[in-house]
Amino acid sequence: GQNIDQPTEMTATEGAIVQINCTYQTSGFNGLFWYQQHAGEAPTFLSYNVLDGLEEKGRFSSFLSRSKGYSYLLLKELQMKDSASYLCAVLDSNYQLIWGAGTKLIIKP
Amino acid sequence: SQTIHQWPATLVQPVGSPLSLECTVEGTSNPNLYWYRQAAGRGLQLLFYSVGIGQISSEVPQNLSASRPQDRQFILSSKKLLLSDSGFYLCAWSGVPGQGVDEQFFGPGTRLTVL
Repeated sequence: GQNIDQPTEMTATEGAIVQINCTYQTSGFNGLFWYQQHAGEAPTFLSYNVLDGLEEKGRFSSFLSRSKGYSYLLLKELQMKDSASYLCAVLDSNYQLIWGAGTKLIIKP
Repeated sequence: SQTIHQWPATLVQPVGSPLSLECTVEGTSNPNLYWYRQAAGRGLQLLFYSVGIGQISSEVPQNLSASRPQDRQFILSSKKLLLSDSGFYLCAWSGVPGQGVDEQFFGPGTRLTVL
């Protein structure tokens, strides 16, 4: 079956750095996405990786290793507004998005 | 630019009542359209997706149905709601797979409470 694993919840301190991991087992791979979802709101697109390596976008970076079935989202200089759930999703061989359950990130002052 | 609309934003319905949620997309043609449900504190569950008018694929057997009467309109329906239908319903669109716009863009969602 297809499976995406990410931690259920993480806590970090304002101004610090946090890394949210995602491991996946899917039938084929056509890219990996990270989305941010604030409570009660719709998910918003953060990043897309299809090749191995690091993609940097401001305070957020996303890394992919296809051989290991592994990705992480790195958030730097954490702000209180970064408190949200972070969803990992993989596009499989049929171009269907397989979603992880999300990681709830709690930022403390 | 593309925008996606959903309505209503919130809905409270009694058990056994019908449901109709509507989603429309502007600024793009022939999008792939999706309906998801998210239970409180849980991940996204894909309910239906559509690659064109009248073409609907169902991912989860249940008492819900979907229709796509126009290219940029996607409707989620039920004849009789169950308590378990409560949740946050999200409509999303994406471009044609493999042609550059693979990420999905979400509407604001409808929070449905069945009592």
